[in-house]
Amino acid sequence: AQSVTQLDSQVPVFEEAPVELRCNYSSSVSVYLFWYVQYPNQGLQLLLKYLSGSTLVKGINGFEAEFNKSQTSFHLRKPSVHISDTAEYFCAVSDTNFGNEKLTFGTGTRLTIIP
Amino acid sequence: ETGVTQTPRHLVMGMTNKKSLKCEQHLGHNAMYWYKQSAKKPLELMFVYNFKEQTENNSVPSRFSPECPNSSHLFLHLHTLQPEDSALYLCASSQVRGGAGETQYFGPGTRLLVL
Repeated sequence: AQSVTQLDSQVPVFEEAPVELRCNYSSSVSVYLFWYVQYPNQGLQLLLKYLSGSTLVKGINGFEAEFNKSQTSFHLRKPSVHISDTAEYFCAVSDTNFGNEKLTFGTGTRLTIIP
Repeated sequence: ETGVTQTPRHLVMGMTNKKSLKCEQHLGHNAMYWYKQSAKKPLELMFVYNFKEQTENNSVPSRFSPECPNSSHLFLHLHTLQPEDSALYLCASSQVRGGAGETQYFGPGTRLLVL
């Protein structure tokens, strides 16, 4: 079984400032890692995912995340945020074994951009 | 219509009512999912269908009854719900059930309020 911890439930950031949203996971097996974003009144949309290879993953809208196996982390970063980045961000993990790939989500981090 | 659509977007029902939520995906996917999103809690996977067959029931109470008549449509039939069932119900689809880190595509959700 896996679990995901998003330590920060809310993160306020000034426009054009950098941001890091933290995600730690727990798993006894190899995992795939995901970040999804939920804009107001919308469903979730994939930002990026780590399956294998380079530990630095680039996604849409200028976001990137780094997989750190030793620290079991997958933090999301953006060097300069915009008002349009205001949303809730969810980290998720799944088992890599076929047939057991259920997504386990964290509780989410609400990112608020301050003009 | 593109992507994943859900109707209705909002629903208010009494505890003795029977209602249904509808989800339709226009992506040619073979797997469909129902999730429950409650405030301050991680997304909870409820049901998974793969090629119209239910492959997962995550210990969901019988007052929730899913139906998947074909790979493009998914229903969630509701009856004798409780106030604690009030939540955002999200539908998602993917190319296959999980598998090698498949991306799930989400609809905008149905906001359900049980009185």
